[in-house]
Amino acid sequence: DVKVTQSSRYLVKRTGEKVFLECVQDMDHENMFWYRQDPGLGLRLIYFSYDVKMKEKGDIPEGYSVSREKKERFSLILESASTNQTSMYLCASSLWGDGYTFGSGTRLTVV
Amino acid sequence: KNQVEQSPQSLIILEGKNCTLQCNYTVSPFSNLRWYKQDTGRGPVSLTIMTFSENTKSNGRYTATLDADTKQSSLHITASQLSDSASYICVVSAKAYSSASKIIFGSGTRLSIRP
Repeated sequence: DVKVTQSSRYLVKRTGEKVFLECVQDMDHENMFWYRQDPGLGLRLIYFSYDVKMKEKGDIPEGYSVSREKKERFSLILESASTNQTSMYLCASSLWGDGYTFGSGTRLTVV
Repeated sequence: KNQVEQSPQSLIILEGKNCTLQCNYTVSPFSNLRWYKQDTGRGPVSLTIMTFSENTKSNGRYTATLDADTKQSSLHITASQLSDSASYICVVSAKAYSSASKIIFGSGTRLSIRP
């Protein structure tokens, strides 16, 4: 089975801190994604990547950046965390034309 | 505009009862539709995938139906168990090979099973 591992289940950070969320997948998938999930809003795409060093903005990229230096690892970076970035963050990976495999999620609280 | 709408928003049923969750979509051109189950605090897990030509697909006590003409799908859960308590998310993909923005998520139905 494909495994998508997010490095932290829970994180608490202070406003203004730089935050790194890490995601690793072990099945050589080309595509990796970062979503945030908020009550009543469903999943919203932040960024995705279809190859090493390639990235594209999703629907809500403001305040975020990403890094994909290796195929198996996709990092989400909050340059200066704000309270409105408190959310559940989900990483996913996929092959072209296939469905997603999701990680377990990271619940980030910014205080 | 590509949209996926799910109903009801939340549902409470007694253990052992059946229930049906609805998904209506306007995504075009349609490629496939998936139902995911998401336990609290966890990432979504795929239950079923249906393409244009498939009307029904089962996965244990879960049965998904698809009507491509009316652009509706349903997820039927038979003989519910306490472990079925979760959010169920409908996800529709358009025929775009590369763009992740062509994958549209519904907001989900939160199902609670009471003993």
